[in-house]
Amino acid sequence: QKEVEQNSGPLSVPEGAIASLNCTYSDRGSQSFFWYRQYSGKSPELIMSIYSNGDKEDGRFTAQLNKASQYVSLLIRDSQPSDSATYLCAVILSGGYQKVTFGTGTKLQVIP
Amino acid sequence: EAGVTQFPSHSVIEKGQTVTLRCDPISGHDNLYWYRRVMGKEIKFLLHFVKESKQDESGMPNNRFLAERTGGTYSTLKVQPAELEDSGVYFCASSQGGGRQPQHFGDGTRLSIL
Repeated sequence: QKEVEQNSGPLSVPEGAIASLNCTYSDRGSQSFFWYRQYSGKSPELIMSIYSNGDKEDGRFTAQLNKASQYVSLLIRDSQPSDSATYLCAVILSGGYQKVTFGTGTKLQVIP
Repeated sequence: EAGVTQFPSHSVIEKGQTVTLRCDPISGHDNLYWYRRVMGKEIKFLLHFVKESKQDESGMPNNRFLAERTGGTYSTLKVQPAELEDSGVYFCASSQGGGRQPQHFGDGTRLSIL
């Protein structure tokens, strides 16, 4: 079992819809969770971080964390073609100090 | 403020040769990390510097890889001798502090071993 798992996609949504990206992790003791966005050939860009159970909203982005289910998700409201990218789920596992463990990423395509 | 910069952006070398990658972190960031993405796989941690000291090098694949950060500023990652399986994208990241401080990534160096 991979430590951080994501569906590779592609996930296709129409412009203006809500995109829902999901991630599960294996280490129950993990405390820090991140979503990065990566455009092709570019650096991963941190868009959300979440540390406590529940929802965290920032503009059109909402991160959701459920530690009991070992599940973290990212919702993108009013999806735009510019949101088309690969979204990487990243976790600092227990005992990992600052070592970030990444999922393989979900490719999102927003169709105009 | 300049971001994390990496040089070169691309490198193509033959098996057995030596390559050195460079990373300049964001100014003032004591923490510097190296990661690698092999084609089709996830980004994987290689090592972590705090200033000039190696905090965690548990992800370094073998002794053909040598990372340095003399003076606690820029870092280099040398691969000697390069093997075919070393091909991939090497990312550098930096953060201001420890714990939950976000890591800011560079655009990576795409390394191809022929």
